[in-house]
Amino acid sequence: SQKIEQNSEALNIQEGKTATLTCNYTNYSPAYLQWYRQDPGRGPVFLLLIRENEKEKRKERLKVTFDTTLKQSLFHITASQPADSATYLCAPTSGGYQKVTFGTGTKLQVIP
Amino acid sequence: EAGVAQSPRYKIIEKRQSVAFWCNPISGHATLYWYQQILGQGPKLLIQFQNNGVVDDSQLPKDRFSAERLKGVDSTLKIQPAKLEDSAVYLCASRESPRRTGLTGELFFGEGSRLTVL
Repeated sequence: SQKIEQNSEALNIQEGKTATLTCNYTNYSPAYLQWYRQDPGRGPVFLLLIRENEKEKRKERLKVTFDTTLKQSLFHITASQPADSATYLCAPTSGGYQKVTFGTGTKLQVIP
Repeated sequence: EAGVAQSPRYKIIEKRQSVAFWCNPISGHATLYWYQQILGQGPKLLIQFQNNGVVDDSQLPKDRFSAERLKGVDSTLKIQPAKLEDSAVYLCASRESPRRTGLTGELFFGEGSRLTVL
């Protein structure tokens, strides 16, 4: 069956450092992969999307990589700030009707 | 532009009772999703509509859950009878038609409806 795994433990990093979050998937061939941010008590908010034929995507302090051979995506936040503290969800997405399946999420805590 | 609206925000019921959640997607969005998010987990897809047709309901517990999207706009998710394990946040999301946006893929979520079953 399809499986999507993210860092199982919460991630604590010092302000100013780069946070790296991992998303691994199995039994799945997504057309693209999305990353979302979720704050407590709120719905997820879209951050970035990377297609299967793209290796890397950047947006301001965010960078996403997508390795379809390893079946893995890495999500980086450079120069992290306390305001970046949230849960980050990866979402491999199929083609066609675009079924969006979410991973377990990684809780990031940026310490001042 | 108005976002995805959901109601109620909170609901507390006894087990075996019924409950209904309502979602109004962003105007013009053809695709609507209902997700269940249990505390500490990622959202789990329950059902996906394309206009008013169901394209995926493989993880919807059909013996107790039902959903409809009349006229391809608003949607209602119902649980009857509720079980303790249904305690979760029910998230509604919408997106534009893939034909209009290609593969942009972005989902817009509502704030969710938090259900507690006692």
